[in-house]
Amino acid sequence: GENVEQHPSTLSVQEGDSAVIKCTYSDSASNYFPWYKQELGKRPQLIIDIRSNVGEKKDQRIAVTLNKTAKHFSLHITETQPEDSAVYFCAASTNFGNEKLTFGTGTRLTIIP
Amino acid sequence: SAVISQKPSRDICQRGTSLTIQCQVDSQVTMMFWYRQQPGQSLTLIATANQGSEATYESGFVIDKFPISRPNLTFSTLTVSNLSPEDSSIYLCSGGGTANEQFFGPGTRLTVL
Repeated sequence: GENVEQHPSTLSVQEGDSAVIKCTYSDSASNYFPWYKQELGKRPQLIIDIRSNVGEKKDQRIAVTLNKTAKHFSLHITETQPEDSAVYFCAASTNFGNEKLTFGTGTRLTIIP
Repeated sequence: SAVISQKPSRDICQRGTSLTIQCQVDSQVTMMFWYRQQPGQSLTLIATANQGSEATYESGFVIDKFPISRPNLTFSTLTVSNLSPEDSSIYLCSGGGTANEQFFGPGTRLTVL
């Protein structure tokens, strides 16, 4: 089955700097890669996703890149703000998301004011 | 995006009893899933709730312990049976959106005494 590894497990950045979280996956059939943000005591919230037919996707300060050959994808957050502090999870799925998600282990991001 | 609700939001149960969690989606979704999230951990898939047929369980999870129903495309229940303190966790349901994104319910926090 699919295995998703996520690094780093914790990340602290100064407010205004960029943060990068990286994930690798094992199943070459995976073609859908969402990222979720989870604040303390809240549900995971989908913040961005990418399908394997594109290499990069942006939404304001958030971007995701995908390297299918290397089987890794990354989340980039620019101009970080205190409200970006949360746990971020990457995930992978086949059938463009119409299947179960396999989650990474999570990254606790702390933005230092 | 699909709006997903869960009941109850939290419960405290005695060991040996059972708890049934309800998940309601505001629109028809193809896929519904049940996850468990231990404190400070990632999300672990328990099973895929299939409409009109038996749920598909992940390794380590069995129907006798986690019976699931899905009578239609907007509703599912998860029962956690014969509770033990090790079952204390947050249980989350998710549903597939119109573009196959998955959205999560708010979770049910279960404490077993």
